[in-house]
Amino acid sequence: AQTVTQSQPEMSVQEAETVTLSCTYDTSENNYYLFWYKQPPSRQMILVIRQEAYKQQNATENRFSVNFQKAAKSFSLKISDSQLGDTAMYFCAFMKQWTGNQFYFGTGTSLTVIP
Amino acid sequence: NAGVTQTPKFRILKIGQSMTLQCAQDMNHNYMYWYRQDPGMGLKLIYYSVGAGITDKGEVPNGYNVSRSTTEDFPLRLELAAPSQTSVYFCASSSAAGNTIYFGEGSWLTVV
Repeated sequence: AQTVTQSQPEMSVQEAETVTLSCTYDTSENNYYLFWYKQPPSRQMILVIRQEAYKQQNATENRFSVNFQKAAKSFSLKISDSQLGDTAMYFCAFMKQWTGNQFYFGTGTSLTVIP
Repeated sequence: NAGVTQTPKFRILKIGQSMTLQCAQDMNHNYMYWYRQDPGMGLKLIYYSVGAGITDKGEVPNGYNVSRSTTEDFPLRLELAAPSQTSVYFCASSSAAGNTIYFGEGSWLTVV
């Protein structure tokens, strides 16, 4: 079975600063996908960034980037120039390739951006 | 620009009552899912479907049923509601295995 671990239940960052959220996962698969999802107080789940395991290049989306270390099974999210609207719960998720049946989610990290 | 639409957004049920959470997507996605999220926890998969007429159990299916008669709709049925089913329910869809999953806005269910 796949497991996703987010070891930081809560984090805070000053506005305009940079913060990194950690995620590790355990799998015997070689091909898979990794995701970071954001869940603001409205509870809607919003895709932040996606990474294919076969790609060595780290994914980036504007102020969001990842540090994907496949051998270490680590997938951290870096948020640069933090904004108040970044305050949310962040979930790391794993999906095996060639299967659409299940995303495995971590327990989340609650991020607060302080003005 | 609707995406995944869930109804109702809020519902209070009495123990033993039944109800159906509706989910519809307009993106022609084959894959649809139902998750529940308990306070302070991640999401757990209840049921999923890989296409019309095909459904399968996820991690926590007990107390729930689903059907998938069309590509667009994936209702979740709660039979004999119990307090343990108090949760936020998310419907989601994706176009193919490995592609991004799109979530609805969630349905808050309280069983008293």
